[in-house]
Amino acid sequence: NAGVTQTPKFQVLKTGQSMTLQCAQDMNHEYMSWYRQDPGMGLRLIHYSVGAGITDQGEVPNGYNVSRSTTEDFPLRLLSAAPSQTSVYFCASSELLNTEAFFGQGTRLTVV
Amino acid sequence: RKEVEQDPGPFNVPEGATVAFNCTYSNSASQSFFWYRQDCRKEPKLLMSVYSSGNEDGRFTAQLNRASQYISLLIRDSKLSDSATYLCAVNTLTGGGNKLTFGTGTQLKVEL
Repeated sequence: NAGVTQTPKFQVLKTGQSMTLQCAQDMNHEYMSWYRQDPGMGLRLIHYSVGAGITDQGEVPNGYNVSRSTTEDFPLRLLSAAPSQTSVYFCASSELLNTEAFFGQGTRLTVV
Repeated sequence: RKEVEQDPGPFNVPEGATVAFNCTYSNSASQSFFWYRQDCRKEPKLLMSVYSSGNEDGRFTAQLNRASQYISLLIRDSKLSDSATYLCAVNTLTGGGNKLTFGTGTQLKVEL
């Protein structure tokens, strides 16, 4: 049972580089979201999607782009990495908006 | 004021103790409520949903107080394995759709 799969698990970027964090789920969930987790800040919502072709901004969207071309995939793109984007990133999916959210194992990103 | 607030702790309790956590939320339109457990360097996992009538799952009891806008989690007969961070999450309908907002988490350490 794969659930929510995130890749890569670890990444080091130089300031200014771009990259895409991958997220895929095999549960046919409509709702997917990206969070970042920083010490003392908890989980903060970056972007979310209520279905293929529909995305919206969360609490901290600046510097990130998303797209949702299929139900299964919800990639997060860092346009020009900054040290402030050093964090642990979690992707999550849920069947409905008010049901259990399942999380991927996280991506630990360091921007130097 | 943060949308969802928790005491970060840590709560250090002896094995067998009863411990309670509270979580307050600011938006009275919030619709559904959850407690998640997060182990060190792992992804959050659902512990239990919180229903208006309150609910119990073994040693864990969750309560919702809509009038005062808080949810609570009670853990009885604490075990060493209960040591983790407990995150409350609140689902709120916004102009752009539903979003799931997390508190910063409360750290619990159960000691011998």
